Amino acid sequence: AQKITQTQPGMFVQEKEAVTLDCTYDTSDQSYGLFWYKQPSSGEMIFLIYQGSYDEQNATEGRYSLNFQKARKSANLVISASQLGDSAMYFCAMRGINTGTASKLTFGTGTRLQVTL
Amino acid sequence: KAGVTQTPRYLIKTRGQQVTLSCSPISGHRSVSWYQQTPGQGLQFLFEYFSETQRNKGNFPGRFSGRQFSNSRSEMNVSTLELGDSALYLCATRTSGLTEQYFGPGTRLTVT
Repeated sequence: AQKITQTQPGMFVQEKEAVTLDCTYDTSDQSYGLFWYKQPSSGEMIFLIYQGSYDEQNATEGRYSLNFQKARKSANLVISASQLGDSAMYFCAMRGINTGTASKLTFGTGTRLQVTL
Repeated sequence: KAGVTQTPRYLIKTRGQQVTLSCSPISGHRSVSWYQQTPGQGLQFLFEYFSETQRNKGNFPGRFSGRQFSNSRSEMNVSTLELGDSALYLCATRTSGLTEQYFGPGTRLTVT
């Protein structure tokens, strides 16, 4: 079974500051992928960043970076230079390669980020 | 490249009715997965289709079904609607393997 834990139900950050959203995971798969999604109030799930378990370098996409620490089973999302438009719910998710885990994304409960002036 | 599209965006149905939702994947994406999102249960996996075959199914009753066509478009059907089926239904598509998965805008279903 796979499990994603996001321990921060809500976070506040000031505009232009950096913020880290925490994510820990548990899996028995040897190979897996970790994902972060942003869900604004409109409901659409927007893909932000992906990290493969065998990728040696941390993934980066513009202002988003994924701090991947395999031994600690953590995959924290770092947003640099926060903008008001970053206010949304953020979900960490994973998918494995084995039967039963390859088909579906397992999601955490999400972190609601509020960017303030 | 066009994104994932879902139709309709909003639906209001009555208990006992049935509903069909549609998802058109990104060009080249052969895998289509469906998820249900509710405030109480969060995001739950319904099923995945790949090349017209259901590859996996989540823990949902048989009232929830789906199919995929040869052009990779997918539909999901919910029969005998219950109030608890009110949710945001999201589809997600990808190529294959451990790759990025992209979501559509969702269909918000309200059952009264």
